[in-house]
Amino acid sequence: DIQMTQSPSSLSASVGDRVTITCRASQSISSHLNWYQQKPGKAPKLLIYGASSLQSGVPSRFSGSGSGTDFTLTISSLQPEDFASYYCQQSYRSPLAFGGGTKVEIK
Amino acid sequence: EVQLEESGGGLVQPGGSLKLSCAASGFTFSGSAMHWVRQASGKGLEWVGRIKSKADSYATVYAASLKGRFTISRDDSKNTAYLQMDSLKTEDTAVYYCTPSHPVQGYWYFDLWGRGTLVTVSS
Repeated sequence: DIQMTQSPSSLSASVGDRVTITCRASQSISSHLNWYQQKPGKAPKLLIYGASSLQSGVPSRFSGSGSGTDFTLTISSLQPEDFASYYCQQSYRSPLAFGGGTKVEIK
Repeated sequence: EVQLEESGGGLVQPGGSLKLSCAASGFTFSGSAMHWVRQASGKGLEWVGRIKSKADSYATVYAASLKGRFTISRDDSKNTAYLQMDSLKTEDTAVYYCTPSHPVQGYWYFDLWGRGTLVTVSS
């Protein structure tokens, strides 16, 4: 089975900061990597699919990159509404798997 | 309107069973694979399993950690997916979400989620 490892597990940042979250797959998953944002008490929200494609309606400050085993989610200028948890997920092969999550907190 | 509604959660004793439902509307349910994802309080997302469409012979696959205790089914005539949970353990306590997927440009992702239903396994 493919394992997904995210880092860091949490980070503190200020409004306006550039934030980078990484995700590593235990084997190559090509570009079959998705990113989700989740706020407390809410269902996850799709941000990025196919490693770098921005989901409709998602602000352009979010971007994704990578292929193979190493991926990155970048928030170019952190906004107050971006404080949340973020998860990567591989959709290359079943069983699917999520990363452990990254909680972005206010500094 | 595109909508998913999970139901059937509640309190169950360890060793018991529970069947969750996921009612869908506003999209082509019969053509979509249906997945279940769970989240324990304060923890991350965990993929539970999925059932494919009739075109793919309703194929199912599950997370290895479940060890055969859960079964996913669907009724396309009712636009509803189900998650049968047996031999429940306290560690199965979580909010359970259903979410559909279908390939877009060769990629599968979850862009529609319900509100989830809470399952509590406790004596």
